[in-house]
Amino acid sequence: NAGVTQTPKFQVLKTGQSMTLQCAQDMNHEYMSWYRQDPGMGLRLIHYSVGAGITDQGEVPNGYNVSRSTTEDFPLRLLSAAPSQTSVYFCASSQLPSGNTIYFGEGSWLTVV
Amino acid sequence: QQQVKQSPQSLIVQKGGISIINCAYENTAFDYFPWYQQFPGKGPALLIAIRPDVSEKKEGRFTISFNKSAKQFSLHIMDSQPGDSATYFCAAGSGGSNYKLTFGKGTLLTVNP
Repeated sequence: NAGVTQTPKFQVLKTGQSMTLQCAQDMNHEYMSWYRQDPGMGLRLIHYSVGAGITDQGEVPNGYNVSRSTTEDFPLRLLSAAPSQTSVYFCASSQLPSGNTIYFGEGSWLTVV
Repeated sequence: QQQVKQSPQSLIVQKGGISIINCAYENTAFDYFPWYQQFPGKGPALLIAIRPDVSEKKEGRFTISFNKSAKQFSLHIMDSQPGDSATYFCAAGSGGSNYKLTFGKGTLLTVNP
């Protein structure tokens, strides 16, 4: 049981490049989400999903796209990377209904130069 | 507008002492209040959570105190241990849901041996 797996662990991008952060969970969780963590800012929700084919925006969705074609995977796409997107990104998952424990991955460190 | 204010930013406690971290919120729609613990290089992990129908919840050495009228809640760590040294985040959710959590900025706790 691997839990929530994020790849890559570290990535350096040039401004304007695109990339996808991968997230997979093997717990058959319906809820998945992406947060970003910046120094002194806590965690902020980017996008979340409550099942395959269902996604919704969080607090800071601009510049990011998501899709949920399977229960297991929830990739986060940066369309045109900007230095402001330099951050640590965490994927999380949980069983429904709401209120069950949310499990976080170990994070993906992204630097945009 | 910061919806969840957390203090202090950092805290140093001696082994065996009590660690107290405070959070205040503004949105009266919040009705789910979890605390997360994060070690360096790892994702946050749920420590304990409370709903506003109770004023206190205890799990082992960790206690949440909740004051609905003051819109404040706090984490108390009794008999603090060096292994408790980590960053602690309070958070809040609405609609009884943890789908869209608003996090505080975090408290770095150091427990000296």
